[in-house]
Amino acid sequence: AQSVTQLGSHVSVSEGALVLLRCNYSSSVPPYLFWYVQYPNQGLQLLLKYTSAATLVKGINGFEAEFKKSETSFHLTKPSAHMSDAAEYFCAVSGYNFNKFYFGSGTKLNVKP
Amino acid sequence: EAQVTQNPRYLITVTGKKLTVTCSQNMNHEYMSWYRQDPGLGLRQIYYSMNVEVTDKGDVPEGYKVSRKEKRNFPLILESPSPNQTSLYFCASSWRAAGTDTQYFGPGTRLTVL
Repeated sequence: AQSVTQLGSHVSVSEGALVLLRCNYSSSVPPYLFWYVQYPNQGLQLLLKYTSAATLVKGINGFEAEFKKSETSFHLTKPSAHMSDAAEYFCAVSGYNFNKFYFGSGTKLNVKP
Repeated sequence: EAQVTQNPRYLITVTGKKLTVTCSQNMNHEYMSWYRQDPGLGLRQIYYSMNVEVTDKGDVPEGYKVSRKEKRNFPLILESPSPNQTSLYFCASSWRAAGTDTQYFGPGTRLTVL
């Protein structure tokens, strides 16, 4: 089965600092990759997705991610963190039949004033 | 407003008492999924449905049933709940398969089985 690994269950940054959340996928075939965000006490919403087009994917709220096949990585970045970015972020990957879907364990982002 | 709704939002029950969590979407999406979220494990797919009367198992289907009799509704049924099914449950829908398209998530149902 496909899987993704998120390094760091908790990441803390200062407001204005770079945000880097790490995700590595396990696959012999480049999959479709996603980042979802969950704000406190809410459902998830899509930040961005990679579907084998451009390797640098831009998402909402200033986030972007770069697909690197050689490193099997899809790290999420944002140049300058805002307090409103505090949330839990999930990397996810499609299954081979595209109906199945696999989330990583999540990374909670804390933004300090 | 386009949305996915779930009911109830909170539920406390006892072992063995059958329950149903409802999910409804108003976007005419063909694909729907159920997930459970547990600390440190992220979200895991329980079941998914590609269309009316077409459902299949996800990663953790044991102890759950689903049905898709109408396009908009995708209820999750726990016929004999056990404490290990205590979790936060999310329903999601999308135009196409979850692995290719944006999924829209409901607000979640927090279930406690005593």
